[in-house]
Amino acid sequence: GEDVEQSLFLSVREGDSSVINCTYTDSSSTYLYWYKQEPGAGLQLLTYIFSNMDMKQDQRLTVLLNKKDKHLSRRIADTQTGDSAIYFCAEGELNNAGNMLTFGGGTRLMVKP
Amino acid sequence: DAMVIQNPRYQVTQFGKPVTLSCSQTLNHNVMYWYQQKSSQAPKLLFHYYDKDFNNEADTPDNFQSRRPNTSFCFLDIRSPGLGDAAMYLCATSRDGSPRNEQFFGPGTRLTVL
Repeated sequence: GEDVEQSLFLSVREGDSSVINCTYTDSSSTYLYWYKQEPGAGLQLLTYIFSNMDMKQDQRLTVLLNKKDKHLSRRIADTQTGDSAIYFCAEGELNNAGNMLTFGGGTRLMVKP
Repeated sequence: DAMVIQNPRYQVTQFGKPVTLSCSQTLNHNVMYWYQQKSSQAPKLLFHYYDKDFNNEADTPDNFQSRRPNTSFCFLDIRSPGLGDAAMYLCATSRDGSPRNEQFFGPGTRLTVL
């Protein structure tokens, strides 16, 4: 079955860059996703990347995909205290029932002022 | 503007007492999902509806059932909650099954089992 792994914690200082890494096992994944979850809230999609891309950038957010190593990373430049949250990596498997997501365990990002 | 609404936000039930969690959406999306998220763990898909078609994940316990009476509403029924069913339950919707279409999540219902 699919397996998605992430480190549990990351602590950075405000203004620094923060990089969260993720590895996955399903080579047939078509899309990979980053979600953000703030305390007491549901998951919010940050971005997704198609498996034939190797980079996607949107303002402070950069996503890098190494399909050969099945490694996904998300980098936020100039990290702010408002970026403190849990970040989930997810891979999508498309089957007859639709696009099924498998989530990693989440990385808790703490941003210190 | 709330798009995926879950009620209640917090639910306390007793061991073995049936409980129903509710999800509604204003997006008119075809697909609705239920996830279980235990503390410090990944959300785990329980089942989903594509329109009226119900799709159960292979490892979802029989104790969990779902109903979708119309496009807007979907319910999660736990017939006999055990202590191990205490978790956050997340409802999500997507326009269709395409991976390009975002899954929109509700805020979740936190279930406590006494």
